[in-house]
Amino acid sequence: GQQVMQIPQYQHVQEGEDFTTYCNSSTTLSNIQWYKQRPGGHPVFLIQLVKSGEVKKQKRLTFQFGEAKKNSSLHITATQTTDVGTYFCPGGGAGNNRKLIWGLGTSLAVNP
Amino acid sequence: DAGITQSPRHKVTETGTPVTLRCHQTENHRYMYWYRQDPGHGLRLIHYSYGVKDTDKGEVSDGYSVSRSKTEDFLLTLESATSSQTSVYFCAISRGGGDYNEQFFGPGTRLTVL
Repeated sequence: GQQVMQIPQYQHVQEGEDFTTYCNSSTTLSNIQWYKQRPGGHPVFLIQLVKSGEVKKQKRLTFQFGEAKKNSSLHITATQTTDVGTYFCPGGGAGNNRKLIWGLGTSLAVNP
Repeated sequence: DAGITQSPRHKVTETGTPVTLRCHQTENHRYMYWYRQDPGHGLRLIHYSYGVKDTDKGEVSDGYSVSRSKTEDFLLTLESATSSQTSVYFCAISRGGGDYNEQFFGPGTRLTVL
């Protein structure tokens, strides 16, 4: 079946360092979304990418969607302690984009 | 958070008892979802609904049933709770149109089955 793999699964950084997480899908996606979940909280929608090769920025966060629409990345510049949490990149399967395919996420810890 | 509430927020129950979790939304969105989240498994879809009385199974539907008699409410029932159903349960709604189908989550229900 369809799968979304994320790497790394865990990442510890010093505050101020950059951080990147990658998602890879086994199938072509109609779209990919990014969510952040703080410890003890619920997933919060960050952004959605739809177009091949799309790049979007939100302040220190840069999101990319691959040309083949099978991979994506999130890059955080100069991490802060407020970036702590787990980042998920569920993808929408082509033809049925109401159901999202979730991976395990990347857990980010930031040391002050 | 799109006016989504879940009740109860915490529940402890015993094996073999039925349990119903409620998700309520205030914005009349068509799509609603139930997920469970467990360490090492991420978020897994249990059931979803695409309208009143229109529901379908997700990847981990065994042991769960759902009902949606009103747009605003989506109920998840554990017919006979087992310890393997100890988890955090999240409800979500989708309000996007066309290609945009972002999901918004409720605060979650922490269920413990003893």
